[in-house]
Amino acid sequence: KNEVEQSPQNLTAQEGEFITINCSYSVGISALHWLQQHPGGGIVSLFMLSSGKKKHGRLIATINIQEKHSSLHITASHPRDSAVYICAVLYYNTDKLIFGTGTRLQVFP
Amino acid sequence: DAGVIQSPRHEVTEMGQEVTLRCKPISGHDYLFWYRQTMMRGLELLIYFNNNVPIDDSGMPEDRFSAKMPNASFSTLKIQPSEPRDSAVYFCASSLGGHNEQFFGPGTRLTVL
Repeated sequence: KNEVEQSPQNLTAQEGEFITINCSYSVGISALHWLQQHPGGGIVSLFMLSSGKKKHGRLIATINIQEKHSSLHITASHPRDSAVYICAVLYYNTDKLIFGTGTRLQVFP
Repeated sequence: DAGVIQSPRHEVTEMGQEVTLRCKPISGHDYLFWYRQTMMRGLELLIYFNNNVPIDDSGMPEDRFSAKMPNASFSTLKIQPSEPRDSAVYFCASSLGGHNEQFFGPGTRLTVL
């Protein structure tokens, strides 16, 4: 069982739909990262958060430390949002990221 | 800043050959990470450095893998001898502080025939 679980593994949406991707982890963490990997392969950091909520444009990330759960939301989805979204956690007393398996999102026009 | 630079972008080699992957982190960053990504296992940390010193190499799969960081602006990941199962995309990332946003390079796609 992976220490970091993401759901769903694959997601298809129509342009304009509201998207939610979930991430659950098993032990206490100091921070959680959301990354985006485009079809070309490049990886970009979207958010790093340890509590509450962060927003950047149409993207919103939330984390519930007690429930060991985070969500990434995309409002008004667009075909250019099509990518793999990866959750990664930083456990206490370590600088090592542990990655989820990713969620492949396809947004159709 | 040019971001994290990796070379080569693509490498095709034959089993048994030595492979050297290179990384230039963002200037001023004190952490450097080497990752491997495969379809089967996703992203995995291989090794990371803090101020040029290797801190954790527990992710290095075998003795065939070695990494060095001779100075703050350059790191190498070497595989000797290479095997087909080493085929993957290798990413280098750097950050300012170990608990901050990591900036990824474009990756090196390695194919071992």
